[in-house]
Amino acid sequence: SQTIHQWPATLVQPVGSPLSLECTVEGTSNPNLYWYRQAAGRGLQLLFYSVGIGQISSEVPQNLSASRPQDRQFILSSKKLLLSDSGFYLCAWSPDGTGGYGYTFGSGTRLTVV
Amino acid sequence: AQSVAQPEDQVNVAEGNPLTVKCTYSVSGNPYLFWYVQYPNRGLQFLLKYITGDNLVKGSYGFEAEFNKSQTSFHLKKPSALVSDSALYFCAVRGLTAGTYKYIFGTGTRLKVLA
Repeated sequence: SQTIHQWPATLVQPVGSPLSLECTVEGTSNPNLYWYRQAAGRGLQLLFYSVGIGQISSEVPQNLSASRPQDRQFILSSKKLLLSDSGFYLCAWSPDGTGGYGYTFGSGTRLTVV
Repeated sequence: AQSVAQPEDQVNVAEGNPLTVKCTYSVSGNPYLFWYVQYPNRGLQFLLKYITGDNLVKGSYGFEAEFNKSQTSFHLKKPSALVSDSALYFCAVRGLTAGTYKYIFGTGTRLKVLA
């Protein structure tokens, strides 16, 4: 069966420090991968998505970047964190790009920038 | 324009009573519709989806949703609420942007089931 792992679960980082959040999927190949941010426990904002290795699409210009160095690995990064980067970050995957299967979400990373 | 609306920020219901969480959508073509649930500090969990077929869709944990094409709605329902159903619920619709399908999520409805 397929599983998705996200780490760390919580992170407290000072302003100006770098960030690296990792997401991996097991039990499938060539998944579509997504990074979302959830602010204030409510709405979801799509940050990046990837349909294959090295293919990254950005939804919102910001202080963050994403990379997909391996088929089932998706990394969210920042060189210098801002206070506004605080939030709950969710990784998700789907089998393909048709949108018919739903997304499977990871358990999330709570990032607090201080 | 493609969109999803969840008009209620919060829904309160007594345990044992039926519950409804509302969702309306706007999308061209046949809609693919989804409901997800989120417990505190957790990821979203899939509840159910409608793509085609019967308008009444049954999902996990006793939830069901009714697709109404004329009203462009996909309300989530449960005949008898449990305290453990208290969580944040998201409706989503598949949208097409620049040749790519992506999900458009509503702003979420917090369900509180009172004992």
